[in-house]
Amino acid sequence: NAGVTQTPKFQVLKTGQSMTLQCAQDMNHEYMSWYRQDPGMGLRLIHYSVGAGITDQGEVPNGYNVSRSTTEDFPLRLLSAAPSQTSVYFCASRPQLAKETQYFGPGTRLLVL
Amino acid sequence: GENVEQHPSTLSVQEGDSAVIKCTYSDSASNYFPWYKQELGKRPQLIIDIRSNVGEKKDQRIAVTLNKTAKHFSLHITETQPEDSAVYFCAASAGTYKYIFGTGTRLKVLA
Repeated sequence: NAGVTQTPKFQVLKTGQSMTLQCAQDMNHEYMSWYRQDPGMGLRLIHYSVGAGITDQGEVPNGYNVSRSTTEDFPLRLLSAAPSQTSVYFCASRPQLAKETQYFGPGTRLLVL
Repeated sequence: GENVEQHPSTLSVQEGDSAVIKCTYSDSASNYFPWYKQELGKRPQLIIDIRSNVGEKKDQRIAVTLNKTAKHFSLHITETQPEDSAVYFCAASAGTYKYIFGTGTRLKVLA
C-alpha cells in the first residue's frame, strides 16, 4: 500500500511550457484534491474530485486543468506555465466523507523561469 | 466566504514548556477540525483531529480543544521537545468536500 504518490519530485519549466503533474492513490479513496503551498499562505485548494468523471474548482483554479478518468489517478495540467505558478504542489486523497482523514502525497516542487 | 484564521504565525518556546496555537473559523456548519504537522521539505501529516460532537481530545502530549460557540479551536503541545519544531496547520471542514486551511504556525522549540 503506497498511499498517495506524486511525480515528478522536482521540475523546472520555462514560461509558456506545459506539463502534467501526476498523482495516484491505492486506497480506493473517492475524494482527491490538489493544493499549492506558497510561503505564508498555507495550503490553497486548486481543484478537487469527488469521484471518477467528476471534478470541480477550488480557490485558485486559473491556469490549471484536471481530469479524473479512474479512481486511482488525478493528474494536474499546467497549460502555459507562468512564474506565478512557482510553488510546491500537493495531491491529497480521503474517503468521500468530509469527516475523514485526508492523506497528502510527498509533493512536487515546481520552478517556472 | 469560508475562512480559517490561525495565530500566531511564529512561536518560540523553551524545551519542556507548552505551546498553544489557535484557529478561528467562519463557517458555523464546520464539523471536522484536523491539525497537520509539516516538517521542512516534507508533506503535511495529520497529528490529531476533533469532530464537532466533542469539546476536547488528547493524544499523549498533544490535545485539541473546540469551542463551537466561539468558533475557535486550539492545539496544545505540552513538554515540548526539539522534534516538535515544524509548521503546524489547522483546517476546518463543513461537511462538504473542502478543507479550508489556516496559514500555518512555525513552531521553534529551543534547547
